[in-house]
Amino acid sequence: DVKVTQSSRYLVKRTGEKVFLECVQDMDHENMFWYRQDPGLGLRLIYFSYDVKMKEKGDIPEGYSVSREKKERFSLILESASTNQTSMYLCASKWQTPGTGELFFGEGSRLTVL
Amino acid sequence: AQTVTQSQPEMSVQEAETVTLSCTYDTSESDYYLFWYKQPPSRQMILVIRQEAYKQQNATENRFSVNFQKAAKSFSLKISDSQLGDAAMYFCAYRRLYNNDMRFGAGTRLTVKP
Repeated sequence: DVKVTQSSRYLVKRTGEKVFLECVQDMDHENMFWYRQDPGLGLRLIYFSYDVKMKEKGDIPEGYSVSREKKERFSLILESASTNQTSMYLCASKWQTPGTGELFFGEGSRLTVL
Repeated sequence: AQTVTQSQPEMSVQEAETVTLSCTYDTSESDYYLFWYKQPPSRQMILVIRQEAYKQQNATENRFSVNFQKAAKSFSLKISDSQLGDAAMYFCAYRRLYNNDMRFGAGTRLTVKP
């Protein structure tokens, strides 16, 4: 089974703190994604990566950065957390090959910024 | 930009009955993919069913089927013989051909009553 593992299910941080959310996949997927999930807004793409050290901005990259030093690992970084970044963060991965490739999701990381 | 609209924030169905979840999307593309994802409470999101736009035949997966109306840009999900385990958030998603960017609707929360 494909497994996408997010390092923390629940985090509580203070405003201004630096936050790292880690994601690891075990299926050698080329593409990895970070989404933010908010009620009434669905999932919005923050960043995605199509290869090691490669990244592209999604719809809401402001306040976030990412790192992909190894193929299996994709990290989301909040340089200075703010209360409006309180949300559920979902990591996903997929193969690069064209076609109806589905996304495989992690269980999510619920971040609360106080 | 492509958008996906789910007009039903919440739906309810009696166990063993049938329910239909609605989804419309906006695109100028002729080839694309459509998906329904299920997110059970506190569990990871999984793919329920997918449809290629060039296929006229509606996709089916056991108790799940879709009604794909390309001209109307409509993609509804029908769940037959509803089970308690079908209770979840359901997200409709759209992806252009050869593109990594998947667009999600706001979601529909389905409750199954025993």
